[in-house]
Amino acid sequence: AQRVTQPEKLLSVFKGAPVELKCNYSYSGSPELFWYVQYSRQRLQLLLRHISRESIKGFTADLNKGETSFHLKKPFAQEEDSAMYYCALKTNNAGNMLTFGGGTRLMVKP
Amino acid sequence: EAGVAQSPRYKIIEKRQSVAFWCNPISGHATLYWYQQILGQGPKLLIQFQNNGVVDDSQLPKDRFSAERLKGVDSTLKIQPAKLEDSAVYLCASSPTGTGGVGELFFGEGSRLTVL
Repeated sequence: AQRVTQPEKLLSVFKGAPVELKCNYSYSGSPELFWYVQYSRQRLQLLLRHISRESIKGFTADLNKGETSFHLKKPFAQEEDSAMYYCALKTNNAGNMLTFGGGTRLMVKP
Repeated sequence: EAGVAQSPRYKIIEKRQSVAFWCNPISGHATLYWYQQILGQGPKLLIQFQNNGVVDDSQLPKDRFSAERLKGVDSTLKIQPAKLEDSAVYLCASSPTGTGGVGELFFGEGSRLTVL
């Protein structure tokens, strides 16, 4: 069965510091990984997906199949990055089903 | 475009009572999902519909939870009877495609249920 683990419930950094939110997954097939974000009083929304290999709001994430990880990184955190971040795994079964990790709250202090 | 609409936003009931949540997805989205998010945890899929058919309901506690999407548009999730452990936010999401889709789900604001 598939599983997504985000080991840190809370990550607190100062503005301008680098950020790395960890995500590990277990899945026997070919995975597709995503990061979703929920800002205060807003809906859960897609931040980025590994197949796009894109940088969104300065965030990047690289899929490492050897380490089964998909860590989210940003070189210089901003206060507006404060939010809940969820890593999600899409499995190659019928449908577009996502399995979410438990989430990490990022707090960026001024 | 209008987003996913859910109601009610908040509901407080006593255990053993029943409750129903409604969801209207983004127009044209074939796939609809209900997720349960318990405080401090990530969303957990309860059921997935493709048009008006069920794709996956393996994690739906069928002795007390039911869901339908009769006309392939809006959907209702019902809990009867509710238990204390059902206290959670119930998230509805939709996506344009089902099988083979790119993984972007569009979420509603959620319905927060408190069972006393």
